[in-house]
Amino acid sequence: GENVEQHPSTLSVQEGDSAVIKCTYSDSASNYFPWYKQELGKRPQLIIDIRSNVGEKKDQRIAVTLNKTAKHFSLHITETQPEDSAVYFCAASSGYGNKLVFGAGTILRVKS
Amino acid sequence: KAGVTQTPRYLIKTRGQQVTLSCSPISGHRSVSWYQQTPGQGLQFLFEYFSETQRNKGNFPGRFSGRQFSNSRSEMNVSTLELGDSALYLCASSFDGGPREQYFGPGTRLTVT
Repeated sequence: GENVEQHPSTLSVQEGDSAVIKCTYSDSASNYFPWYKQELGKRPQLIIDIRSNVGEKKDQRIAVTLNKTAKHFSLHITETQPEDSAVYFCAASSGYGNKLVFGAGTILRVKS
Repeated sequence: KAGVTQTPRYLIKTRGQQVTLSCSPISGHRSVSWYQQTPGQGLQFLFEYFSETQRNKGNFPGRFSGRQFSNSRSEMNVSTLELGDSALYLCASSFDGGPREQYFGPGTRLTVT
């Protein structure tokens, strides 16, 4: 079955710097890749997603890139702010239904 | 639109008991998926229901079951509870068959003693 690996497990950046989180997936049939942000005690919140027919997608300070050949995708956050501090999860879906396989998560700390 | 809701928010049960959790999706959404979140295993997929039919199932024992009603509300049941079932149970709703955006509920925190 699908396996998603996520790195790094923790990431500390200075406010205003950029943060990059990387994920690799194993199932070449995967075609949908969402990213979720989860603050302490709260529900996972969808922040951006990308489909396999697109190489890059941006939404203000957040961008996601996808390399289908290498089977990896990345989350880029620019001009980080303290409120970006949270756990970020990547996920992959192989196309049948809405089953998501999640990475282990990255704890992002933005120091002010 | 109202978001995904889950009841109850917190539960404490004893080993061997059973429990039923409820999830109400966003209005108009027909797909409901369930996930278990633990510090050790992260977010793991349990099952998905679409138009009252189970469409996907994760690698959990048969003690975990679910169903979906005609109004798209879903329930999951865990029988013969074990200590290791202590977790945050999240449901997520999606508009259609997917794969597409899924929106999570606040979760039910289950503690098994």
